[in-house]
Amino acid sequence: DTEVTQTPKHLVMGMTNKKSLKCEQHMGHRAMYWYKQKAKKPPELMFVYSYEKLSINESVPSRFSPECPNSSLLNLHLHALQPEDSALYLCASSQDYTTGGNTIYFGEGSWLTVV
Amino acid sequence: QQQVKQSPQSLIVQKGGISIINCAYENTAFDYFPWYQQFPGKGPALLIAIRPDVSEKKEGRFTISFNKSAKQFSLHIMDSQPGDSATYFCAASTDGGSQGNLIFGKGTKLSVKP
Repeated sequence: DTEVTQTPKHLVMGMTNKKSLKCEQHMGHRAMYWYKQKAKKPPELMFVYSYEKLSINESVPSRFSPECPNSSLLNLHLHALQPEDSALYLCASSQDYTTGGNTIYFGEGSWLTVV
Repeated sequence: QQQVKQSPQSLIVQKGGISIINCAYENTAFDYFPWYQQFPGKGPALLIAIRPDVSEKKEGRFTISFNKSAKQFSLHIMDSQPGDSATYFCAASTDGGSQGNLIFGKGTKLSVKP
């Protein structure tokens, strides 16, 4: 079983709603990631947090807002999303973003549907 | 520009057979090559990984073969089972922290027929 826990597993939201996806890991990892995966496609990196600081933002629209309250938690705040944002959102973590052999462990994802 | 090319897109294998999935990369700075297995409705799970200083790594029925000069690596699943039916992604990343993210191939959907 994955040690990266994501909630909720499923979320349906309207285009005017504000919602959040949550992720938690207790492996002592200091790097956490958000990926987006569309059907039949590979995961695409959105954000990387290293030691609770945002290290990479892959040109993600501002309607997605990440937050890392502490080393174990990662949130993704959603606002004014579009139907094309419907996807599986994957949280992941790794021991240390700055060292090699960066094994990345994924959670089971949150299925988001924007209506 | 896709940096990791994966083939085939889909694969059907009989139970007990060998499944082979191939990947090729362009960036010689890549030095960590994991394979992920993803079942429908689940997140990707790390299956096996290799570094370029090793030509082959075996874990149970799963083997990675790595050819550094050809910039190719492959996953072999021996004695394939219906429970192996899933989508498999190869990936690559670079050391040193300059790119901590994974570059994924497009995936291979494997179906193992009983």
